[in-house]
Amino acid sequence: EVQLLESGGGLVQPGGSLRLSCAASGFIFSNSDMSWVRQAPGKGLEWVSTISGSDGGKFYADSVKGRFTISRDNSKNTLDLQMSSLRAEDTAVYFCAKAQLTRISVLRGATVKGWFFDLWGRGTLVSVSS
Amino acid sequence: DIQMTQSPSSLSASVGDRVTITCRASQSINFFLNWYQQKPGKAPNLLIFAASSLQSGVPSRFSGSGSGTDFTLTISSLESEDFATYYCQQSYNAPPTFGGGTKVEIK
Repeated sequence: EVQLLESGGGLVQPGGSLRLSCAASGFIFSNSDMSWVRQAPGKGLEWVSTISGSDGGKFYADSVKGRFTISRDNSKNTLDLQMSSLRAEDTAVYFCAKAQLTRISVLRGATVKGWFFDLWGRGTLVSVSS
Repeated sequence: DIQMTQSPSSLSASVGDRVTITCRASQSINFFLNWYQQKPGKAPNLLIFAASSLQSGVPSRFSGSGSGTDFTLTISSLESEDFATYYCQQSYNAPPTFGGGTKVEIK
């Protein structure tokens, strides 16, 4: 069965750390770009990070850059998100998603990519509160 | 970042109604526009990619159109399982950005 299953969410104090994991099955994980997308309670969707399947390149939202690290283990078909220096505004359901690359361009010397998300996990809740 | 604006933010409709949701991008995104459906407590589900391509397994009553900055999601005849929130998302540039959502409620 094609699926993504997240784990690792929970309650953490501001300034703390948490590591999320996503187990993938039913598709060729190593070839796939993979992402994290989050949704604050009652709010819309916000892209967090993507890691390339082809070259391991990593991309982050400005809101998490320098605090979150995305990684993958192709031998185990797992995707991780290491979150540190957590803030109240990081409180959200975090979804693991398989990303389809749609476009590559170069903008001011930097490679810019576009993706859509064709497979989603159920999500794991991260609550940052004292 | 490219801003995505959806309208309306919510609507009430009856089973059998034709429903149209609009999404506008802050700059031209060609046809790099995607639509998702999300039901309460569930993950989003891809409906339409590249503005008008129907994702496998999605009923044909869903359709998408548009290019440049203005896009539309149409449900030709609303069914009970279609009551949900719908999001557009641009895949033209990073960061991928989503519209604020349109909640389709039962009239």
